[in-house]
Formats: sequence, C-alpha cells, structure tokens
Amino acid sequence: EAGVVQSPRYKIIEKKQPVAFWCNPISGHNTLYWYLQNLGQGPELLIRYENEEAVDDSQLPKDRFSAERLKGVDSTLKIQPAELGDSAVYLCASSQEGDSGANVLTFGAGSRLTVL
Amino acid sequence: AQKVTQAQTEISVVEKEDVTLDCVYETRDTTYYLFWYKQPPSGELVFLIRRNSFDEQNEISGRYSWNFQKSTSSFNFTITASQVVDSAVYFCALSEAGGANNLFFGTGTRLTVIP
Repeated sequence: EAGVVQSPRYKIIEKKQPVAFWCNPISGHNTLYWYLQNLGQGPELLIRYENEEAVDDSQLPKDRFSAERLKGVDSTLKIQPAELGDSAVYLCASSQEGDSGANVLTFGAGSRLTVL
Repeated sequence: AQKVTQAQTEISVVEKEDVTLDCVYETRDTTYYLFWYKQPPSGELVFLIRRNSFDEQNEISGRYSWNFQKSTSSFNFTITASQVVDSAVYFCALSEAGGANNLFFGTGTRLTVIP
C-alpha cells in the first residue's frame, strides 16, 4: 500500500514568490492534515480536513496561506507571497477517521521550503 | 492547555547501550492519548505507539518499551541495546479526546547511536 505522497520534496524560491505543495493521502483516509515543522521543533497543525471540509484552520495564516482539498482526496497548500520566515518543512498526514483523539496519523516525507 | 515537554534535546549513546527518552505532558482532559513518533533522516514521521489515558500498563515491543505514569504525567520511552538504525529524532505527542483530533508534539529528542 502506498503511503502519503508529497511533492515537491524540496523547493527553493525567492521571497515574494508563490509556492504550492501537493499531497496525496492514503486511499480511504478521510482526514487530511497539513503540519508545519520548523527546524528543531515539533510539527504544528496548520489545517485539518474531513473529506472536503476544512474543520480546523485556526492556525493557518490566512493572509498568505490557502489550502484546498477538492473531491476529498488530494490536497494543495499554497503560500503567496512567501516570506523568509516560511522556510520550513511542510508535512502532510492522513488518518482513517475524524473526530477522535485516538487516530493514528500517517505522515508523508514532507516538502522542505527554502525562501531566499 | 495542552503541552508536551521533551527536556532532552540531544542524546548520544554507544551502540548496545540502553537509552531512555523522557516525555512530560500537561492536559486538563481526563481522556487523552499519548504517542511516540520516530523521524529518521529521510524526514517521514513513523508511528511507534499510542496509549490512552486509562491504560497505564507498560508496553514492550522488541527492544522498545514504554513507561506511562499518570501520577507524574510522564510517558517515557526506552530503547534497549541501541543500534545505529535507531539514530533519529523522536517525538512525543498528545491528543485530547472530545472532538478535535489535533496532535500536540514536543520539540523532539535527537538520538545518535555511535557504532
């Protein structure tokens, strides 16, 4: 079974440029998460989807970040315009069920963004 | 508010030594879940274990063991007879029941096993 697939693995851009990350979750997983991981830190939730619906986006900086999950499968996270402080790893994860603290998340390898 | 503290930033051990990674958590919920994830150099977080707040039994899986103590709000992870392949960053995480499946991670402990 394929795991959570993310692309690109690495991206280097100039500040003020746009960037997009793509995630394909495990087949059958209804819940999809985007996490931000700064260097030397643990991941922090940006947004959580239940199928197509964003049920928790309280930590997403909506002035420059946007996300979508059309058809409840793949998801895209966009940053426009990127700032130097956005340099980090963006992790996508998925799980089978929604509202339960017991869910085990399966993570992708992440997309490492460097903003120059 | 939830909080997970991993006070050990980096640990180095020589191969075959035992090592314990500490995790202390804070939560006001009576029902919660604790996790350990491993992040090898490849970057992908790998699930190791989940424990719910009502199950304080220690668990052993091969060379790995976990000690959950509610009295001290700790969920420590021990690797016995460490191997080079155990070198990674290990994260402890907390999730509260009741509607929001949000994992709160600690800052991680980088383990280096020296051959």
